[in-house]
Amino acid sequence: SQKIEQNSEALNIQEGKTATLTCNYTNYSPAYLQWYRQDPGRGPVFLLLIRENEKEKRKERLKVTFDTTLKQSLFHITASQPADSATYLCAPDTTDKLIFGTGTRLQVFP
Amino acid sequence: DVKVTQSSRYLVKRTGEKVFLECVQDMDHENMFWYRQDPGLGLRLIYFSYDVKMKEKGDIPEGYSVSREKKERFSLILESASTNQTSMYLCASGPYRGAYEQYFGPGTRLTVT
Repeated sequence: SQKIEQNSEALNIQEGKTATLTCNYTNYSPAYLQWYRQDPGRGPVFLLLIRENEKEKRKERLKVTFDTTLKQSLFHITASQPADSATYLCAPDTTDKLIFGTGTRLQVFP
Repeated sequence: DVKVTQSSRYLVKRTGEKVFLECVQDMDHENMFWYRQDPGLGLRLIYFSYDVKMKEKGDIPEGYSVSREKKERFSLILESASTNQTSMYLCASGPYRGAYEQYFGPGTRLTVT
């Protein structure tokens, strides 16, 4: 069955450093992969969408890579800030819907 | 900005009650989705809809039904609530058919006692 893996352990980094979150998927080949941010008690917020032929996409301090050979996406936040602390969800698509990972909690401390 | 609203932030119901969760979006999106989110299990798709009066089962439709009589409104119905349906319920809408970005509401935390 289709499976998505994100590191369930929280990632703790110091302000100003680059945070790197990993998303691995198995048993399917998505054409798109999305990343969302979720704050406690709130709905997820869309951040970035990357297509299978794009390899890398940037938006301000965010960068996403998509390696279809490794079946992996990496999500980077450069110059991280305490306000970046949240849970980040990856969501590779299937034909008509998204499948969400369980998310990785990022904690940026001053 | 896209706005997705859900009828309640918190809801407490008794086992066996019929529960209605309402979702409204204001951006004329074609697609609407209902998810539940539980610790360690992530977001799981219950039902989705691409058009008025159309519905598709997601990954965990058992115990739920949906209604979409108007484009902007998508309702989730628990015919007979059970304690294992205690969860955070999230509604989302999206502009195109296919897996484009989704816009989520604030969620309804439902407790069934």
